[in-house]
Amino acid sequence: NAGVTQTPKFQVLKTGQSMTLQCAQDMNHEYMSWYRQDPGMGLRLIHYSVGAGITDQGEVPNGYNVSRSTTEDFPLRLLSAAPSQTSVYFCASSQGGTSYNEQFFGPGTRLTVL
Amino acid sequence: AQSVTQLDSHVSVSEGTPVLLRCNYSSSYSPSLFWYVQHPNKGLQLLLKYTSAATLVKGINGFEAEFKKSETSFHLTKPSAHMSDAAEYFCVVSDRGNKLVFGAGTILRVKS
Repeated sequence: NAGVTQTPKFQVLKTGQSMTLQCAQDMNHEYMSWYRQDPGMGLRLIHYSVGAGITDQGEVPNGYNVSRSTTEDFPLRLLSAAPSQTSVYFCASSQGGTSYNEQFFGPGTRLTVL
Repeated sequence: AQSVTQLDSHVSVSEGTPVLLRCNYSSSYSPSLFWYVQHPNKGLQLLLKYTSAATLVKGINGFEAEFKKSETSFHLTKPSAHMSDAAEYFCVVSDRGNKLVFGAGTILRVKS
């Protein structure tokens, strides 16, 4: 199993550009989520999904869109990039249903917005 | 609302000495608690988790943590630090819906 994969690993955008961060998992997990990591703030939840066709907002959703058309994929879209979105983005997945399931994290995407 | 406070942003120990990383949590019901580790420029790896079974939880690489409900704490310990333990450590609480709330992280430095 590849686990959770993310592409690209690095990306530089100009303010106002849009892009999609890709996330895929091959573990047939129901639950998937996106976090951003900023220095001294830990990871903060952007959006999450409890299954195909179902998404919801996390703590910091503004400026981001998600969709979940398949169990495997959970892309994160930046609609109009801003310097405040410079961060490292992590995708995670877990089996759904309970709070104690381990979440598996991807390797991250480091995004810089100029 | 749930929250996590990691009491030290940086901890420095000598190789072979004990490690203590402190974490306090706030939760309105019985939480699930985790410790994750992140080595430089890497993703996150689960060290251990508490899920209301034994209050002393053993994890990978010799780490363990004790859940103390009366103190709302979940401190991470290791008897003897190794150079490879140098990393950032996150204490995490999970709500009923799998959403994780992270602490700000503790950077562990291990001196030779």
